[in-house]
Amino acid sequence: RKEVEQDPGPFNVPEGATVAFNCTYSNSASQSFFWYRQDCRKEPKLLMSVYSSGNEDGRFTAQLNRASQYISLLIRDSKLSDSATYLCVVYGNKLVFGAGTILRVKS
Amino acid sequence: NAGVTQTPKFRVLKTGQSMTLLCAQDMNHEYMYWYRQDPGMGLRLIHYSVGEGTTAKGEVPDGYNVSRLKKQNFLLGLESAAPSQTSVYFCASRGLAGTGELFFGEGSRLTVL
Repeated sequence: RKEVEQDPGPFNVPEGATVAFNCTYSNSASQSFFWYRQDCRKEPKLLMSVYSSGNEDGRFTAQLNRASQYISLLIRDSKLSDSATYLCVVYGNKLVFGAGTILRVKS
Repeated sequence: NAGVTQTPKFRVLKTGQSMTLLCAQDMNHEYMYWYRQDPGMGLRLIHYSVGEGTTAKGEVPDGYNVSRLKKQNFLLGLESAAPSQTSVYFCASRGLAGTGELFFGEGSRLTVL
């Protein structure tokens, strides 16, 4: 089993849709969680950290479920510019990246 | 504000050739990392450094060497390139304090023929 697993997608959604991604992790001692965004052929950039109580940043909501060992990212009112690969990152005793979920928002 | 700068951005090598990738950061970060990214596999850690003069192996260190003689620079060397090392290489840095955010360079695309 991989340490961090994501559905690779692609998720193809129309503009304005709500879409959610999950990411599961195997290390129950993991302490910190992040979502990064990576545009095609570009470097990853931090989208948001994930806090235990859940957190929101505009149209983006991140949740952590420690009992089931997964984090989620919800994107509301999808924009064309949201098309990217979303990487889940988990920090236990080391940083581990998921392989990413591809999102394609279409007009 | 340059952030993290990688050179070169593109390189084509023949099998057996050597080369060095340079990563420079101007944020006074303690931690620096070298990753490779291959389709469907996510980012895999090659080597990392927790401070000037220190380096450590990551997940896939074989065939690579690194040095951190100055705090702002982290060099990744390939002594004898192999086609399996064809990849996109990303350098990243992180400070001791703050959110733990990794700041990445723009990537170096290496092809080994």
